[in-house]
Amino acid sequence: GAGVSQSPSNKVTEKGKDVELRCDPISGHTALYWYRQSLGQGLEFLIYFQGNSAPDKSGLPSDRFSAERTGGSVSTLTIQRTQQEDSAVYLCASSLNGVKTQYFGPGTRLLVL
Amino acid sequence: TQLLEQSPQFLSIQEGENLTVYCNSSSVFSSLQWYRQEPGEGPVLLVTVVTGGEVKKLKRLTFQFGDARKDSSLHITAAQPGDTGLYLCAGADNYGQNFVFGPGTRLSVLP
Repeated sequence: GAGVSQSPSNKVTEKGKDVELRCDPISGHTALYWYRQSLGQGLEFLIYFQGNSAPDKSGLPSDRFSAERTGGSVSTLTIQRTQQEDSAVYLCASSLNGVKTQYFGPGTRLLVL
Repeated sequence: TQLLEQSPQFLSIQEGENLTVYCNSSSVFSSLQWYRQEPGEGPVLLVTVVTGGEVKKLKRLTFQFGDARKDSSLHITAAQPGDTGLYLCAGADNYGQNFVFGPGTRLSVLP
């Protein structure tokens, strides 16, 4: 594809509901990253995939957060029982294996009411 | 834990002025990237520096990687309103797989 795409672009949900965020990486990119960015802040690392496996899950803030990747391509980030503090922009990035450059999607803006 | 600090946190200047923003760490990185992020969009890669002491120029932007690969600077000459945005630096570990981001410098260039 031309670039990393994410959906939905915006999501408003009620506290306690589950949400699923999707990332389509650049075709052929084996590495995929999820980050969270709160308003006016830098990027907080959440999880990294190499292929379908996630060697580093250390950034997931709680057990309400999970992510999976299938077919070495699309990834979904799921937040269960959302809380107001989960409100943020969730960014996905992909890179070629061994190449030290990430390409970002436009993000999903999540608002938990 | 590898951490990156950026300074200044905020910078507001007039069009035509020069500026330098900094990215510092106590850790060594195999490479360092600079990104610019505009409101409502994801970060866009500006440059990757790999070699200690390396200097890269991109039109009015000059990037430098410290000799010890722990710090970097971004210098903008004759800033323009289009340079406005959040400038993020990110360091990669030795495997080039884990990236640590700094908190960013928010630049505003006034016409």
